[in-house]
Amino acid sequence: DGGITQSPKYLFRKEGQNVTLSCEQNLNHDAMYWYRQDPGQGLRLIYYSQIVNDFQKGDIAEGYSVSREKKESFPLTVTSAQKNPTAFYLCASTDKSGQSNQPQHFGDGTRLSIL
Amino acid sequence: GDSVTQMEGPVTLSEEAFLTINCTYTATGYPSLFWYVQYPGEGLQLLLKATKADDKGSNKGFEATYRKETTSFHLEKGSVQVSDSAVYFCALVGGFKTIFGAGTRLFVKA
Repeated sequence: DGGITQSPKYLFRKEGQNVTLSCEQNLNHDAMYWYRQDPGQGLRLIYYSQIVNDFQKGDIAEGYSVSREKKESFPLTVTSAQKNPTAFYLCASTDKSGQSNQPQHFGDGTRLSIL
Repeated sequence: GDSVTQMEGPVTLSEEAFLTINCTYTATGYPSLFWYVQYPGEGLQLLLKATKADDKGSNKGFEATYRKETTSFHLEKGSVQVSDSAVYFCALVGGFKTIFGAGTRLFVKA
């Protein structure tokens, strides 16, 4: 079955450490997205990518970085500059980026906590 | 810019009760509208969608109608079950991004 795989499911970060969250999709989708979800709140867009080797900042990109070297992979790095990284991180993808009737497909998320 | 407003939760219902979760939007043009559901510890799943005015999306007993006049897309279900307990998100697609509402948590008691 096609889908989005996020790993790890739980991740712990020490102060001053960078950590990378993995997101892989086998849906052959063009666009991929990273969201942050805090308890009791909606989703906030961190970064998105419409094609390989191209990505754009979302609403809360500070303290995060991404790469899109392959169509199926869109890893997110939470850097030490992100002072409040504890949250639930969701990766998503859509087919035919830019077509407004396309839903997003989501992974099961990574929960990041600070040690 | 585009935005989505949902009724605040949590919403607590008894099993077999009628459900309505209100959603209104602000957008330029005529966006497609979506409802997603999130179960504990999981990502979001598409529940239903509507792509133009007066369209009705439906799935698993849930329905929502795209109302251009009132810029609304309210979610309804005639008889909820305990298994419907989750967080529900209304969303629209604006350009290359999806705009999500804040989510409404639903608790269904047996």
